[in-house]
Amino acid sequence: EAQLVESGGGLVKPGESLRLSCAGSGFIFRAAWMNWVRQSPGKGLEWIGRIKAGGTTDYAAPVKGRFSISRDNSKDTMYLQMNNLKTEDTAVYYCAWDGTFYFDMGLWGQGTTVTVSS
Amino acid sequence: DVVLTQSPLSLPVTLGQPASISCRSSQSLVHSDGNIYLNWFQQRPGQSPRRLINKVSNRDSGVPDRFSGSGSGTDFTLKISRVEADDVGLYYCMQGTHWSTFGQGTRLEIK
Repeated sequence: EAQLVESGGGLVKPGESLRLSCAGSGFIFRAAWMNWVRQSPGKGLEWIGRIKAGGTTDYAAPVKGRFSISRDNSKDTMYLQMNNLKTEDTAVYYCAWDGTFYFDMGLWGQGTTVTVSS
Repeated sequence: DVVLTQSPLSLPVTLGQPASISCRSSQSLVHSDGNIYLNWFQQRPGQSPRRLINKVSNRDSGVPDRFSGSGSGTDFTLKISRVEADDVGLYYCMQGTHWSTFGQGTRLEIK
């Protein structure tokens, strides 16, 4: 059964950095297009970026230049490097797999919580 | 950016009664490849989002046939034929035609 597991969340101060991980299993990870989506407290869902199978990345405007997505196919893992964090980045961060078509987001992980506070 | 507007934002429903959620897009969601990349997600309390419907009307595996999706162009609808207690939670539409954006979410509760 396909599964995604996020890790790496925590409490950081504004301006600090954090790296999240998303480990995939049960599917051919190296061929997968993967997304990061976040959900701020009491707010809705926001797509923040994706990485294609070949490693090409795309980002939403609010995080472009501060966040970067990478992958290590030998570990079936995707990463989200978050730099210069702001209080408004506080959210639950999910990874989601595009199993059939782009942005299909047919499978989500359980999420990892990032809190940015002084 | 494409804006998806859901209505209502709060939906109290009596058990066994139908429910309907609207999702309107600020621009057409017909992709250049002819597909419409409009999905519906359910988020139960304390859980991750779960996709219910993909590409407007395709029910995902394991999703009860009480759930159905329809629409075209800029107007889309998620219908639940008979609401059960297990359906309580947030429902989101999401478009993947022009990058990806989500609706604000609709909170379904039992009246």
